[in-house]
Amino acid sequence: AQSVAQPEDQVNVAEGNPLTVKCTYSVSGNPYLFWYVQYPNRGLQFLLKYITGDNLVKGSYGFEAEFNKSQTSFHLKKPSALVSDSALYFCAVMDSNYQLIWGAGTKLIIKP
Amino acid sequence: EPEVTQTPSHQVTQMGQEVILRCVPISNHLYFYWYRQILGQKVEFLVSFYNNEISEKSEIFDDQFSVERPDGSNFTLKIRSTKLEDSAMYFCASSEALRSGETQYFGPGTRLLVL
Repeated sequence: AQSVAQPEDQVNVAEGNPLTVKCTYSVSGNPYLFWYVQYPNRGLQFLLKYITGDNLVKGSYGFEAEFNKSQTSFHLKKPSALVSDSALYFCAVMDSNYQLIWGAGTKLIIKP
Repeated sequence: EPEVTQTPSHQVTQMGQEVILRCVPISNHLYFYWYRQILGQKVEFLVSFYNNEISEKSEIFDDQFSVERPDGSNFTLKIRSTKLEDSAMYFCASSEALRSGETQYFGPGTRLLVL
């Protein structure tokens, strides 16, 4: 069965420092991986996805994610964190029925 | 930028009552989805819908649930007789196509509380 793990419930980063939010996956077949962000009282907003090609995927708001097939990981990164990046981040994998299978989410807190 | 919208943002209902959650997908999208997130748990797929038919549904989507596209813009989720355990955030999503890696765009959600 397909699954996604986000091993950290919360990540704390100082403003201006690089951030990483971790995601590992388990799929049969090709992985189609997504990152979404949820700001307070807002919906799930698409950030970026990996389908095929370059292992480094660039997305909205300066975020990027690195696909690593050998480690079955798809970590979300940003070189310099902003306070406004504070939110809940979800990793998801699409299964063969086009359903998104979700991780539990990671709360990112950026401190000034 | 086009967005998925959902109404109401919050709904409180009594156990056993029927509720209808409404969604307006992005206008040129043809595929529609409902997901839910019970507080403290992962987001779960409920159902996908295309061409006025259910494409896929999960085990959660039992006979108490139904979906409908009543007109050219709305997509609704009906829970016939709500249970306490139906309390959750319900997210509607839409996509242009149904293919591997196609992005699903989500609405802001409806928080349903069943008392």
